[in-house]
Amino acid sequence: DAGITQSPRHKVTETGTPVTLRCHQTENHRYMYWYRQDPGHGLRLIHYSYGVKDTDKGEVSDGYSVSRSKTEDFLLTLESATSSQTSVYFCATSPGTSGQETQYFGPGTRLLVL
Amino acid sequence: DAKTTQPNSMESNEEEPVHLPCNHSTISGTDYIHWYRQLPSQGPEYVIHGLTSNVNNRMASLAIAEDRKSSTLILHRATLRDAAVYYCILRALRGSNYKLTFGKGTLLTVNP
Repeated sequence: DAGITQSPRHKVTETGTPVTLRCHQTENHRYMYWYRQDPGHGLRLIHYSYGVKDTDKGEVSDGYSVSRSKTEDFLLTLESATSSQTSVYFCATSPGTSGQETQYFGPGTRLLVL
Repeated sequence: DAKTTQPNSMESNEEEPVHLPCNHSTISGTDYIHWYRQLPSQGPEYVIHGLTSNVNNRMASLAIAEDRKSSTLILHRATLRDAAVYYCILRALRGSNYKLTFGKGTLLTVNP
């Protein structure tokens, strides 16, 4: 399994506060992704990165920003958290060497916005 | 993106084979068929993928219909640990090939 850790694993915050979730990988994978999972929606892509400082939007990027200053770390920031951002957030990585390669997922972060 | 259709849920008994179907009637010629599964309270994990020919690995087998409009994930002997949501996903050869588009998947229950 790819060495992917997410922190924090659980977080409770209040509406309007900024929140940063961290994804850390030890596999030197080029691609990194942030997904959110909500009941009835499955997993949806928020943002992804295809290299250091190279990021792009996914299908549900509004209200989220990302940064990748090192290969191993991909940060997801909720600038001003809202209750609709209560979700489980998964980070994933892939080597970036071919189009059909496996994505490896982290354990997830449960975020509750009150 | 081409769409997949899976049953919402299936049930199996331990140590029996399980056949999980997936319909993808609008699949294009260059779409690969991927399967992931998600165990309770965990992130998804890769199971298997293929293009046209049937595929086997240590986890499962993938049977692809000749017209590629459907496929079946086969777990040869289900264990309690196989209880999970199974996702059938189409991935384009080029373009947005980074992307995994998850549907609702099939919830597999394995009875002891």
